[in-house]
Amino acid sequence: DAGVTQSPTHLIKTRGQQVTLRCSPKSGHDTVSWYQQALGQGPQFIFQYYEEEERQRGNFPDRFSGHQFPNYSSELNVNALLLGDSALYLCASSSLAAQETQYFGPGTRLLVL
Amino acid sequence: DAKTTQPTSMDCAEGRAANLPCNHSTISGNEYVYWYRQIHSQGPQYIIHGLKNNETNEMASLIITEDRKSSTLILPHATLRDTAVYYCIVISYNNDMRFGAGTRLTVKP
Repeated sequence: DAGVTQSPTHLIKTRGQQVTLRCSPKSGHDTVSWYQQALGQGPQFIFQYYEEEERQRGNFPDRFSGHQFPNYSSELNVNALLLGDSALYLCASSSLAAQETQYFGPGTRLLVL
Repeated sequence: DAKTTQPTSMDCAEGRAANLPCNHSTISGNEYVYWYRQIHSQGPQYIIHGLKNNETNEMASLIITEDRKSSTLILPHATLRDTAVYYCIVISYNNDMRFGAGTRLTVKP
């Protein structure tokens, strides 16, 4: 049983570009949450998707957007990249209906130059 | 903002029990206490969670005070591989997790 998977593992972009990160949830999970973790800090909640809709959102600008597909996988899109967007982006999946624990993927490390 | 307070760092001798405290004095009745750990640059790993009662699994034990305002994560026999940042998180049903800075546990030989 595969756990949460994310792609790519690493990515380098330049300021002003756009990036798309992908996440496949753990089998049986229907909810995907995204987090940003800057170096030396704890993960910060970006948003959560359930039933293909954004269910909750943290304190992140509209440059951060997402999508959830019918198979529960999800994408995180960041437009107009800033140097400060350099971070580890984590995806976590859970089952909202079952009130199940969130399990995290390995993350995508994004470097903006 | 995180609803928990943890020490910034702790050391533990290999083979000894590691006791990691967490204060969550504003916890609500429907909020659980979750513990995750993060080993260098990997995704956070779920350890254990509880509501009121003490909990134990193959990784750790969780002791929650009767007033639920604090808890302690216990790793009974710490190994070098337990060196990590440990996060204590208070979370309600809506699963909106707010991480603090966590406790950096260093297990020493």
